[in-house]
This record gives sequence, C-alpha cells and structure tokens, in this order.
Amino acid sequence: DIVLTQSPALAVSLEQRATISCKTSQNVDNYGISYMHWYQQKPGQQPKLLIYEGSNLASGIPARFSGSGSGTDFTLTIDPVEADDIATYYCQQSKDYPPWTFGGGTKLELK
Amino acid sequence: EVQLVESGGGLVQPGRSLKLSCLASGFTFSNYGMNWIRQAPGKGLEWVASISSSSSYIYYADTVKGRFTISRDNAKNTLYLQMTSLRSEDTALYYCGSSYMAFDYWGQGVMVTVSS
Repeated sequence: DIVLTQSPALAVSLEQRATISCKTSQNVDNYGISYMHWYQQKPGQQPKLLIYEGSNLASGIPARFSGSGSGTDFTLTIDPVEADDIATYYCQQSKDYPPWTFGGGTKLELK
Repeated sequence: EVQLVESGGGLVQPGRSLKLSCLASGFTFSNYGMNWIRQAPGKGLEWVASISSSSSYIYYADTVKGRFTISRDNAKNTLYLQMTSLRSEDTALYYCGSSYMAFDYWGQGVMVTVSS
C-alpha cells in the first residue's frame, strides 16, 4: 500500500501563504500524470475536492489554491490565506489501488 | 446541483448488521464509479469500498473484506453498503462519494456506532 505522510498542523497568518506538504512512500506518477488529489474538510462538514491530478483546480475552487509536485513530493499552496480557509487538508493517491489511501491530514490554524 | 444523501446509520450492537444507502441526484449516476469512505471520530479519512459504474469492478479495504458488501441500483440512483459482523472499530461517519477525476463529490455522511 502507498503511505502518504503529512505534517499534523500548520500555523499561518491571514493574507500570508500556506504550503502544505504530502510525501508518498512510492511514486504516484504515471505517463506524465500525478495521481495525487487534495481535499479540504471544515469542522462538521464533508470533505471537498480542491485539486485533482496534482495541479488541476476542481470546479468552483478559487485560484488562491494551487497544487504542485511530482513523484513522491507534493504541495498544496494557499495564497493568500483567508479566514474561510481554516480547515483540515488531506492528500490522497489513486495511482495504485486498492486501496486508495489518504494522508493523515494537516490542520491549518491561525497564528 | 450534485447531491448525495446517505441514510441507514445508527447504533448497533457488535456482531449485528446494518445497511447504508446513498441516494444520488444532479448527475448521471450510472456513468460514475461510487465509493464509501469513513471517518472515525476525531480521525482521518479511510477508504472502505468502491464499485464501478456498471458494477463490473468492486474493491474493498482489507479491514472490511468479507464483512461488507457494496452494491448499486442504477435505476434507483442509489448506492448501498451492507455491513455485517460489525465491530467497535467500524464506528465512524460513513460518506458516499462519486469518483471521476478523484473523489469528486461527497455526501454529508451518516453515523454508524457499534456498541453494546
């Protein structure tokens, strides 16, 4: 199984840049596509897809969110951070399945 | 607007069974793979099971294989999860989700509590 590792928490100031990392135990690229996806989960709500295939913005997601990386190292960037962005962020891979696996989540907090 | 509405959760004793449903609307259900993903209280996300659009491909997490059965009725736009031999570690919020590029849309979740 592919293991995804995220830092548990990140403190950031409003209007600054937040970079959330996700490292995978195996390469999740295939034929130029990174099978890495990012989700946002606010307290009491279901997760929402933000970024798919490494860097593609999901429908309705503001351009403040961006995804980058390849291979085993990926980053979700929020720039600038707004108050509404305080949430937990999960990475997830779909390169090798089953199982589809998630990172443990990074809780974005205000500094 | 895509909507996924789960139902069927509740409190159940260990060893008993429960069946979850997920009613889909706002998209062509029969064209999409569907999934169950769960989240134990205060924990992260765990994929549980997936089924392809025509039910040709079905996958389970090792933690539920042999106990849970995923199915779908495309005529009713409904996804199911039959859960048997429930354990305390199955206690979680169960989400249904559609899949195309990733887990694109999620329901609001239904709580399953396994306790005596």
